[in-house]
Amino acid sequence: QLQLQESGPGLVKPSETLSLTCTVSGGSISSSSYYWGWIRQPPGKGLEWIGSIYYSGSTYYNPSLKSRVTISVDTSKNQFSLKLSSVTAADTAVYYCARRHRSVMGYWGQGTLVTVSS
Amino acid sequence: QSVLTQPPSASGTPGQRVTISCSGSSSNIGSNTVNWYQQLPGTAPKLLIYSNNQRPSGVPDRFSGSKSGTSASLAISGLQSEDEADYYCAAWDDSLNGYAVFGGGTQLTVL
Repeated sequence: QLQLQESGPGLVKPSETLSLTCTVSGGSISSSSYYWGWIRQPPGKGLEWIGSIYYSGSTYYNPSLKSRVTISVDTSKNQFSLKLSSVTAADTAVYYCARRHRSVMGYWGQGTLVTVSS
Repeated sequence: QSVLTQPPSASGTPGQRVTISCSGSSSNIGSNTVNWYQQLPGTAPKLLIYSNNQRPSGVPDRFSGSKSGTSASLAISGLQSEDEADYYCAAWDDSLNGYAVFGGGTQLTVL
């Protein structure tokens, strides 16, 4: 059974860089046809797609976040990571990692809350 | 503002049929398939419908999806109390380099 688990600091200071890692178990991150991505949800609000990466390193990003986002993959650890720079309070959200096949996000992590505050 | 437009709320009584709409444009729903996600309170979203009208294994056939032009709909028949959740439509958008877009979500209340 494929499982995804987010990890990283729950509190980040304004203007700093948010860093999260997603660990994949029960399957290989190097599987063909799958992209691995991040989605976030501010408290009480809807879902926002951040971006995704293929095991080869090919990426897609949300145009509204592209200038601040970097997604990377470490196939040796079966992990992929998110970095979001210059964060503000508006970046406070639950961050989910997920596996994407074409446009379908079929497997999700449980999510991790990241609060941006001094 | 979300790229895809959904009504913020919907409601129905047990046993009733409810529908949730999702409106987009030619660059997303008009040229790509639509997926629906169910988010129960305090949990991660779960895939409910993919490729417009396909159900993953384990999803009851009370849930169905359809698409026409630049709009899509999710229908829930035989409404049950456990269906009370937030529902999101999503699609790929071909503009710029391509990216995934979501609707703003519809909060379904079972009265």
